Parts: sequence; structure tokens; C-alpha cells
Amino acid sequence: EPEVTQTPSHQVTQMGQEVILRCVPISNHLYFYWYRQILGQKVEFLVSFYNNEISEKSEIFDDQFSVERPDGSNFTLKIRSTKLEDSAMYFCASSGQGLRNEQFFGPGTRLTVL
Amino acid sequence: AQSVTQLGSHVSVSEGALVLLRCNYSSSVPPYLFWYVQYPNQGLQLLLKYTSAATLVKGINGFEAEFKKSETSFHLTKPSAHMSDAAEYFCAVGGTNAGKSTFGDGTTLTVKP
Repeated sequence: EPEVTQTPSHQVTQMGQEVILRCVPISNHLYFYWYRQILGQKVEFLVSFYNNEISEKSEIFDDQFSVERPDGSNFTLKIRSTKLEDSAMYFCASSGQGLRNEQFFGPGTRLTVL
Repeated sequence: AQSVTQLGSHVSVSEGALVLLRCNYSSSVPPYLFWYVQYPNQGLQLLLKYTSAATLVKGINGFEAEFKKSETSFHLTKPSAHMSDAAEYFCAVGGTNAGKSTFGDGTTLTVKP
């Protein structure tokens, strides 16, 4: 069964460093998403991406964040200068064609900012 | 706009007892609804989903949920709790390529021996 994959599973970085979280969506999907879950809290939407541009973003997704689909298979989330409060689990999701196709979530990347 | 309210941040049941986790939603369009389970330090596992077909949805691990439009509810049930059911459970609305998923705050299920 096709699945969304994410790398790395755990990333540790120093405050102020740039990180790139990588996702490989399901191959024929066209819509891509990033969500965040701070430890002990609920899952929050960050951004959606379609046709090589951002469709929607939340207030969390400020100028420190960016997304990119650099090739036909990867979808990345970049945090330019990490803060302690960026420590969280980051989930990638993708969905296929059709108006109401559901999102499929990846296993997540745990980001720890020291 | 869409939102989810999970009633009860913590639910404790005895092994073998009925599990009932409550979820109410708000959505401006016919909703897609999901229940996910999350074990400590792990990702989201889809338990079941409602996508406008049958109102009673059966999922994995013996869980089921009933969509009640009149009550705007999508409560999760399991007839007999098992120790391995102890986890965090999230209800979510939306979650299609028409828009983002909106998650509830989660319910921690504890199962007592």
C-alpha cells in the first residue's frame, strides 16, 4: 500500500540553525500539507501546497518557514532560523485528485531545538 | 470554517469495559471526519473515517463510530477495552484536498486492569 514517508525520523539542531524536513508524498498525489504537534498538544495545520504554490497557511507559518517541491517526488519544509519553540513533531500529508480525497499522513519527524 | 471539540481530555475505563470517546464537530460543508490514535512518541494511525457513505463506520482494532448529523457528533466506541488501547485519540474534521484537517485537543485513554 502506498504511503507517505518522512526523513529524518528525528532531527536535533541548535537554536538559530536552518533545518530542512523532507517528505515523499504518495506518488500520484497533487496536494501536500505540513502539520505540527508540540509535545502534549494537538496537531496544528501549518501549510497546504498545490500546483507549486501555497494554497493556505496558518498564522504559525511565518517568514521563518518555507516549503518547496524541488523535484517530482520530494516536498520539503525549511525552517530558516530555528527557535526553541519550534521543537515539535512535524507531519507531512498528501492527497490525490478529486474534490474530496482524504489526506494521508506520514510518520512524522521529531525536531528538537537545543 | 470548521472545528472539533473532544469532550473529556482524559477517559479512564477498566479492561473489558465499554470505551466511549466523544467528538462534536462544526463544518460549513458536509464533513469528512476521522479518528486517529497516537501512541507515545509515535505518529498518527488512522482508526476510521466517515466520508459521507454509511453513518456507522467500522475501523481497526474493534473501534467504530457513528456519524449523527442532527447532533453534529462522531463519537468513537469500542465494546470491550483492552490494555493495548491505552493511547491518545484525536478526532479531526476536513482532511481532504478541499482543505486542511482540523484536529481536536485529544483524549487520553487509560485502561485499568
